[in-house]
Amino acid sequence: GAVVSQHPSWVICKSGTSVKIECRSLDFQATTMFWYRQFPKQSLMLMATSNEGSKATYEQGVEKDKFLINHASLTLSTLTVTSAHPEDSSFYICSARDNAALNTEAFFGQGTRLTVV
Amino acid sequence: GQQLNQSPQSMFIQEGEDVSMNCTSSSIFNTWLWYKQDPGEGPVLLIALYKAGELTSNGRLTAQFGITRKDSFLNISASIPSDVGIYFCAGQPINTGTASKLTFGTGTRLQVTL
Repeated sequence: GAVVSQHPSWVICKSGTSVKIECRSLDFQATTMFWYRQFPKQSLMLMATSNEGSKATYEQGVEKDKFLINHASLTLSTLTVTSAHPEDSSFYICSARDNAALNTEAFFGQGTRLTVV
Repeated sequence: GQQLNQSPQSMFIQEGEDVSMNCTSSSIFNTWLWYKQDPGEGPVLLIALYKAGELTSNGRLTAQFGITRKDSFLNISASIPSDVGIYFCAGQPINTGTASKLTFGTGTRLQVTL
């Protein structure tokens, strides 16, 4: 299957600082990527849909000014958690769909564990 | 956001036993996907289903897309220790076009004992 790479795998930051997480599709182009958040022992919750060359679409309850998304190329989307606080600590996962694929299955990155202290 | 109802929530089974889990929704879905997630990792796609009634196998895994398009099940035969993990169903609702916006199930945590 297609490969999606996320970086970093984990990050610890101080409260009030910003953290950027990258999501790359390594062997395919993706017009659309998705960002999820997962709390311990819970399912994945979609935060936003990242659209190449245009603004991201945020799910209800997700603050767009706090979770900045940039999708500047067909292979890269970034999520920046601004002014991070301990309650932002979570597992963040991106996914992407191959533009050229006829099906609609999405492939996931390995996730980024964010700990805000 | 919306979640799919997945059951059971967790199960402990012995190596060699068969496992069955299912996912139900009040909405109709175009596509059903089954993922496995290991601790600290992203979900890995196991099986994808695209047509109502479709039955698809991947090794010891078999999944079906319910005829009503509101449910799906996943079976694992002859479980082995590496089957341990969390299994998620995911569905793509109708009218999301090619955006592939998925709704995830609540997960089934599988533990396999020797």
